Amino acid sequence: KQEVTQIPAALSVPEGENLVLNCSFTDSAIYNLQWFRQDPGKGLTSLLLIQSSQREQTSGRLNASLDKSSGRSTLYIAASQPGDSATYLCAVNSSGNTGKLIFGQGTTLQVKP
Amino acid sequence: DTEVTQTPKHLVMGMTNKKSLKCEQHMGHRAMYWYKQKAKKPPELMFVYSYEKLSINESVPSRFSPECPNSSLLNLHLHALQPEDSALYLCASSRLRQGHDEKLFFGSGTQLSVL
Repeated sequence: KQEVTQIPAALSVPEGENLVLNCSFTDSAIYNLQWFRQDPGKGLTSLLLIQSSQREQTSGRLNASLDKSSGRSTLYIAASQPGDSATYLCAVNSSGNTGKLIFGQGTTLQVKP
Repeated sequence: DTEVTQTPKHLVMGMTNKKSLKCEQHMGHRAMYWYKQKAKKPPELMFVYSYEKLSINESVPSRFSPECPNSSLLNLHLHALQPEDSALYLCASSRLRQGHDEKLFFGSGTQLSVL
């Protein structure tokens, strides 16, 4: 059974700092891995999707990497801003069914001005 | 239009009430989903519809009844809910049900409280 873990559970950094969020999964047989952002009481916004054959994806200040063999992914946020404050969720698709995602517990990020 | 729209945003209902949650997308997506999210927990999949047909039911109690009247609309009918069903209900859609590069688009959710 696939299990997804995110460390740390919470993170507080000063504005401008570069930071890394970690995600690990137990079964390396995945189709893809996605990173989402969730603001309090809101829905999820897809940030990056990495296919199983890819090593990384970039969008603006965000870079996500995937090491399938070790069961790890990282989300790198450059030059953090207060607007980046949110919960970041990592989700693994192990079944090939797009919506059947296994989520981690999330990392709640606070960027202080 | 890259939005998934959910109504209502908030709902309070008694255990004997019948209510419905609605979800709409106009992106031409053929797969739609219901997720349930308890406070400070990750979302959990409830149902998957593909081409208006139910393809996955994650052993959800029958007091939750999904319906997909057409390719743009998804409903979740609620009846005789329990207080523990209070949660954020999220609708999502994707272009197709299967694919290595298919992304999910989520709505803002309906915050449901069962009294």
